[in-house]
Amino acid sequence: KAGVTQTPRYLIKTRGQQVTLSCSPISGHRSVSWYQQTPGQGLQFLFEYFSETQRNKGNFPGRFSGRQFSNSRSEMNVSTLELGDSALYLCASSLVPTSGMNEQFFGPGTRLTVL
Amino acid sequence: AQKITQTQPGMFVQEKEAVTLDCTYDTSDQSYGLFWYKQPSSGEMIFLIYQGSYDEQNATEGRYSLNFQKARKSANLVISASQLGDSAMYFCAMRERLRNSGNTPLVFGKGTRLSVIA
Repeated sequence: KAGVTQTPRYLIKTRGQQVTLSCSPISGHRSVSWYQQTPGQGLQFLFEYFSETQRNKGNFPGRFSGRQFSNSRSEMNVSTLELGDSALYLCASSLVPTSGMNEQFFGPGTRLTVL
Repeated sequence: AQKITQTQPGMFVQEKEAVTLDCTYDTSDQSYGLFWYKQPSSGEMIFLIYQGSYDEQNATEGRYSLNFQKARKSANLVISASQLGDSAMYFCAMRERLRNSGNTPLVFGKGTRLSVIA
């Protein structure tokens, strides 16, 4: 069974641009969560999607948005990029939000650099 | 208030020795889960071990074991027989179980960088 895949793995953008990151969950998994990891703030929850609906949202500005498609693939978008958005963006999947507590599998991440 | 505290920014251990990575947590919920993840320089978060709040026995997975002390709200990771490949960042995380609405997102500690010395 293939794991969680994220594309692209690396991305370089300039301030003011926008970016879209993609996450494909494990086959059969319908819940996708996104996390941002920076040296200063550590790992922080961005949002969670299930059945194409956002279930949870972390404390991030509206420039950060996401969506989920009917095949459970998810995208997150960051508009008007700032230098502080440089981070590793991790995606995690689970069967459903009410899955066993121990079911959350991470992808390899997308490393975004904003110049 | 910080929910997960990892007080050791960095640790060194000799190859083949055991090492304990500390984690304390804060919750008022009765139902929660504690996790440890390993993150090598490649960036991927690798799940190591899980402990549920109602589990009576400490979790073990191969060379990894979790020293769960519920009254002290601590969930320390013990790695036995350290290997050079164990050098990485280690994160403790927690999620809480909400009645009827699933699990909360994972909340992570700041991590501990473990370096295994030959």
